[in-house]
Amino acid sequence: DTEVTQTPKHLVMGMTNKKSLKCEQHMGHRAMYWYKQKAKKPPELMFVYSYEKLSINESVPSRFSPECPNSSLLNLHLHALQPEDSALYLCASSQGEAGALRDEQFFGPGTRLTVL
Amino acid sequence: AQSVTQLDSQVPVFEEAPVELRCNYSSSVSVYLFWYVQYPNQGLQLLLKYLSGSTLVKGINGFEAEFNKSQTSFHLRKPSVHISDTAEYFCAGMDSSYKLIFGSGTRLLVRP
Repeated sequence: DTEVTQTPKHLVMGMTNKKSLKCEQHMGHRAMYWYKQKAKKPPELMFVYSYEKLSINESVPSRFSPECPNSSLLNLHLHALQPEDSALYLCASSQGEAGALRDEQFFGPGTRLTVL
Repeated sequence: AQSVTQLDSQVPVFEEAPVELRCNYSSSVSVYLFWYVQYPNQGLQLLLKYLSGSTLVKGINGFEAEFNKSQTSFHLRKPSVHISDTAEYFCAGMDSSYKLIFGSGTRLLVRP
């Protein structure tokens, strides 16, 4: 299995809602990533987990809360988002052996988020 | 500053013609270099990567890239494109923390 899966595909939420994005991989990868991608722009790194511990937070607002319950699963909890947070949210994973992040990253198809 | 530059925002080309998508990296970006493709409403798919070794790297779908250290370039080429190659292409390098630094992307538009 060489896939990273993400659910849901699309999400529409109001500014007062709480929702979660889910990402899963079964490749035995130990590093997982969240990216945000606005239209016609490259992905921007948000968070990196290595061996289920948060290793990089790119100064992301606290209304985005990541969670890594186990080595295969990565969640992104959303609360009190703003319309400007509407974007494609991409999850990725890499081998990450011994904490190294230099391996290629495998991306999921993304969740298209719209905040009203 | 650590950066990856894709000078062409859009490259139109006729089907079956050759294409080159340009990518230059700053010397402070490590020489782990990647090309990703993104089809509409999809995630990113790795086309090819350069980590070390031969400077000519072959990838999927008939693409190849050449690492040129003296020109700090990693241009992507394909000898004959298909309509299905229409997509956004991102060049990326890794910084000293092994974070991916993406270029701004090049939209390849293949016309019949």
